[in-house]
Amino acid sequence: QVQLQESGPGLVKPSQTLSLTCSVSGDSLSSGDFYWTWIRQFPGKGLEWIAYIYYAGNTYYNPSLKSRATISMDMSKNQFSLTLTSVTAADTAVYFCARRGYSTSENWFDPWGQGTLVTVSS
Amino acid sequence: SYDLTQPPAVSVSPGQTAKITCSGDKLGDKYVSWYQQRPGQSPMVIMYQDSQRPSGIPERFSGSNSANTATLTISGTQPMDEADYFCQAWDSHTHVVFGGGTTLTVL
Repeated sequence: QVQLQESGPGLVKPSQTLSLTCSVSGDSLSSGDFYWTWIRQFPGKGLEWIAYIYYAGNTYYNPSLKSRATISMDMSKNQFSLTLTSVTAADTAVYFCARRGYSTSENWFDPWGQGTLVTVSS
Repeated sequence: SYDLTQPPAVSVSPGQTAKITCSGDKLGDKYVSWYQQRPGQSPMVIMYQDSQRPSGIPERFSGSNSANTATLTISGTQPMDEADYFCQAWDSHTHVVFGGGTTLTVL
């Protein structure tokens, strides 16, 4: 059974960089069958896709975040990560990692991690 | 950008049929997925490729997608179905788009 677990600081100061890691068990990032994804959920419940990465190094970003977000993977640890620079209070959200099928017809997310709340505040 | 619109809230009596809609330009040309999120939990996919149920999802959940609207139908709604529901589609520009979510109340 595939499981994803997010980790990272729960509090980040404005203008600083947010860094999160997703640890994957039960599947290998190098399997080639999936995209590995970051999604966030704002306090008002809205969901926003941030980015995904494929084992070959292909990365895709939400255009609204592309200038601030970087997704990367460490296959030796079976982990992938997100950094988001110059954060503001608007980046306060629960951050989820998730898995998505490789083809455009397999564009659903399953499973999701439990999520980690990140608050941006001084 | 591509937008998906959902009603903020839907109410249904136990045992009745609930319909949650998701609207977008030519949405019928895209595959739609649906997620259920119970309080304090992560979203969980309950429908993919418009009308396909993952293993373990009850048959009372069904989906359709045509023209500009996708619909999630819950037949014989149960109290345990009370949750937030989100639709999601893939767009060639923004890649992933989520609807704003619908809170289903069973009362």
